[in-house]
Amino acid sequence: NAGVTQTPKFRVLKTGQSMTLLCAQDMNHEYMYWYRQDPGMGLRLIHYSVGEGTTAKGEVPDGYNVSRLKKQNFLLGLESAAPSQTSVYFCASSYSNVRDTEAFFGQGTRLTVV
Amino acid sequence: DQQVKQNSPSLSVQEGRISILNCDYTNSMFDYFLWYKKYPAEGPTFLISISSIKDKNEDGRFTVFLNKSAKHLSLHIVPSQPGDSAVYFCAASGVRQGAQKLVFGQGTRLTINP
Repeated sequence: NAGVTQTPKFRVLKTGQSMTLLCAQDMNHEYMYWYRQDPGMGLRLIHYSVGEGTTAKGEVPDGYNVSRLKKQNFLLGLESAAPSQTSVYFCASSYSNVRDTEAFFGQGTRLTVV
Repeated sequence: DQQVKQNSPSLSVQEGRISILNCDYTNSMFDYFLWYKKYPAEGPTFLISISSIKDKNEDGRFTVFLNKSAKHLSLHIVPSQPGDSAVYFCAASGVRQGAQKLVFGQGTRLTINP
């Protein structure tokens, strides 16, 4: 039972390069989220999706784009990477949007922009 | 503006003793709280939650207490075990724009010493 899988696990980018982070879930969840975690800060929501074909901005969306073409996949794109985007990125999914819903997280992607 | 704060970056406890992790929040509109546990190189996993209509929720060795008047919650682990060594995040949960929104604290790194 894979749960939420993120690809890649590690990546080093040069400033200005682009990349896409892939999140895949096999739990048939409607809701998917991208977070970033920085030292001394909690996880912050970048973008989220309430279903296939939908996306919406979270708390820190600038510099990122997302797509949810298939229900099981949620892609996070960086068009022109900046050092400020060095972070650990976590994808999460949940079956419901009610406040007591448990979110399931991927193992994270550590991105370094030099 | 950090709406959810965990003021202790780290905590060290002897095996068998009680671990108490604290969390404060500023927004009185928050009415549901969750605790997540995170091991190195893994994503956070759900641990325990509490609704604002309760002041205590217990699950085995884990108990969460909520003091609404003080806007404070705490996670008690009794007895502490080496496998409890991890980073613990508290999160406030709400629903906005059709999705669950989690606001995370900075995390507390718990180390259980044998």
